[in-house]
Amino acid sequence: QVQLVQSGAEVRMPGSSVKVSCRASGGTFGAYAINWVRQAPGRGLEWMGGIIPLIKTANPAQKFQGRVSITADASTGTSYMELKSLNAEDTALYYCATEPPMSYHFDGWGLGTLVTVSS
Amino acid sequence: DIQMTQSPSTLSASIGDRVTITCRASHSITTWLAWYQQKPGKAPQLLIYKASTLQNGVPSRFSGSGSGTEFTLTIAGLQPDDFATYYCQPYDTHSHTFTFGQGTKLEI
Repeated sequence: QVQLVQSGAEVRMPGSSVKVSCRASGGTFGAYAINWVRQAPGRGLEWMGGIIPLIKTANPAQKFQGRVSITADASTGTSYMELKSLNAEDTALYYCATEPPMSYHFDGWGLGTLVTVSS
Repeated sequence: DIQMTQSPSTLSASIGDRVTITCRASHSITTWLAWYQQKPGKAPQLLIYKASTLQNGVPSRFSGSGSGTEFTLTIAGLQPDDFATYYCQPYDTHSHTFTFGQGTKLEI
């Protein structure tokens, strides 16, 4: 199981962008996919999209299409999630999670990155 | 995309009880459903995948069942450590997307 290390907390102004990173502590993701999930304060989990780093194929959730960019560098074992045109409703804890090949579940999670959007 | 209805939203129970949480999908997802436990301030943890397969290290008092559109998570013999929020997560093979149920807060 890959261990995930996420970047630190961010504060952004409304209308700006944020880029969060997620690094495999062992060095690579192997054949795992990486998914991004967010959780607003006091709310449930929301899937944002995922990527298979080996083939760099991203699949964003429809709600975020056009506003989210999910990328990955398989050689460095790092995935990035960039969210644009931020508003207050984007204030949340952003998690990355590993998905074993063809398994459709998330068996490992990062600790989360808090993104606060405030003027 | 698939719509998932999880119930109940809150469940009150006592140590030793047997409890059941249900998730219903808007269309068939065969057995592509996972269950997670989340404690306050912590990341979710995988309990069950493919509807009924117990993740390594998860106590056997947790079990999952179902296929198609209706799924259940059962905890037999509640322990103090089980009081948390539980989420179901379907995978939609048509749209290749995930979603999450609304969550069930299990409280004493």
